[in-house]
Amino acid sequence: GDSVTQMEGPVTLSEEAFLTINCTYTATGYPSLFWYVQYPGEGLQLLLKATKADDKGSNKGFEATYRKETTSFHLEKGSVQVSDSAVYFCALSDLGTDKLIFGTGTRLQVFP
Amino acid sequence: NAGVTQTPKFQVLKTGQSMTLQCAQDMNHNSMYWYRQDPGMGLRLIYYSASEGTTDKGEVPNGYNVSRLNKREFSLRLESAAPSQTSVYFCASSERGNTIYFGEGSWLTVV
Repeated sequence: GDSVTQMEGPVTLSEEAFLTINCTYTATGYPSLFWYVQYPGEGLQLLLKATKADDKGSNKGFEATYRKETTSFHLEKGSVQVSDSAVYFCALSDLGTDKLIFGTGTRLQVFP
Repeated sequence: NAGVTQTPKFQVLKTGQSMTLQCAQDMNHNSMYWYRQDPGMGLRLIYYSASEGTTDKGEVPNGYNVSRLNKREFSLRLESAAPSQTSVYFCASSERGNTIYFGEGSWLTVV
């Protein structure tokens, strides 16, 4: 079945460092891909999404490009801030039902 | 802008007790979902409802029942709670093909 694999954390960075969180997927067809963010004690919020190959989703300085050839959707940010500290989830949507299939999450910790 | 509202936020149960988690959305979405979140496991789908009057099992439905009371509300019931059901539960909703919105979570501990 469909699945999402993302890098294990925690990822620890200094403020203003470059961030990459890897995400690869296995799916039949061409699902939509998402990154969700979860701040401590809160629910999940959509960070960005891409619905077809070569689409780039972006929001709040974060970017991810839907790469069909490598089945990847890596999250990047050029300069992280302390306020970006959170857990980041990569997900794909089941084409028939809109159900989301999540990766296990990657905790990001940014220090001043 | 309430979005997805779930109650209670925190609950402690004894093994064998029953309880219902309530969820309501005010976005007129057809699809609603219940997920559980466990450390190292990400979020796993328990049940979902594609429309009022329909429900389907997700990845981890055992030990749970759901009711899609109307278009707005989707409840999750634990008939006989077990320690393995200690988790954070998230309700979510969406309109077909669009973003899924999550509630703030319900922290459940079964002792």
